Amino acid sequence: GESVGLHLPTLSVQEGDNSIINCAYSNSASDYFIWYKQESGKGPQFIIDIRSNMDKRQGQRVTVLLNKTVKHLSLQIAATQPGDSAVYFCAEKGSGGYQKVTFGTGTKLQVIP
Amino acid sequence: EPEVTQTPSHQVTQMGQEVILRCVPISNHLYFYWYRQILGQKVEFLVSFYNNEISEKSEIFDDQFSVERPDGSNFTLKIRSTKLEDSAMYFCASTPERVSETQYFGPGTRLLVL
Repeated sequence: GESVGLHLPTLSVQEGDNSIINCAYSNSASDYFIWYKQESGKGPQFIIDIRSNMDKRQGQRVTVLLNKTVKHLSLQIAATQPGDSAVYFCAEKGSGGYQKVTFGTGTKLQVIP
Repeated sequence: EPEVTQTPSHQVTQMGQEVILRCVPISNHLYFYWYRQILGQKVEFLVSFYNNEISEKSEIFDDQFSVERPDGSNFTLKIRSTKLEDSAMYFCASTPERVSETQYFGPGTRLLVL
């Protein structure tokens, strides 16, 4: 069965507001998580990652939070812009460069101008 | 910034025909992958490839599929006898080294089997 999944298929956010996209995972042994952004007709684009020994990691306008107790992670996008409109996937990956990425089903973020 | 490239961007074929999807991973990357995404669904792992061998393959990657790295730059996915259900976006990805976690994805090839 799936090891990662998302709570909502679509999220609409007003431009300038913050966006929060949630994801649950089932494998308590998972130790590396990634958020990807996929624009229409393009391949998944790496946004940010986090290891299980961390509970928060920040990038440029993005923050990923990991709650291992409830097996939940979230992606927060600050001051959402029209260019942020895309499908966002959480994914997990085993340790090591050779390991496959297992994707969740995706959340479509729609930014309302 | 180096990118993974894929050709063709679109491919239309008749059921039963062979197709070859091509990828040029980022130079000096060591691990290569194929994924597919059926329209409206999540991205699914097909196969990983390292040191001229398949490292792992999914149950989707049956005998109709094969991968090859014929030279130092190209990485190909061949589907010997395409089926209607093979219609999907196919993404190639690569990773630079064992300790690196980030996989870089190409733009994809949209395959339509009629």
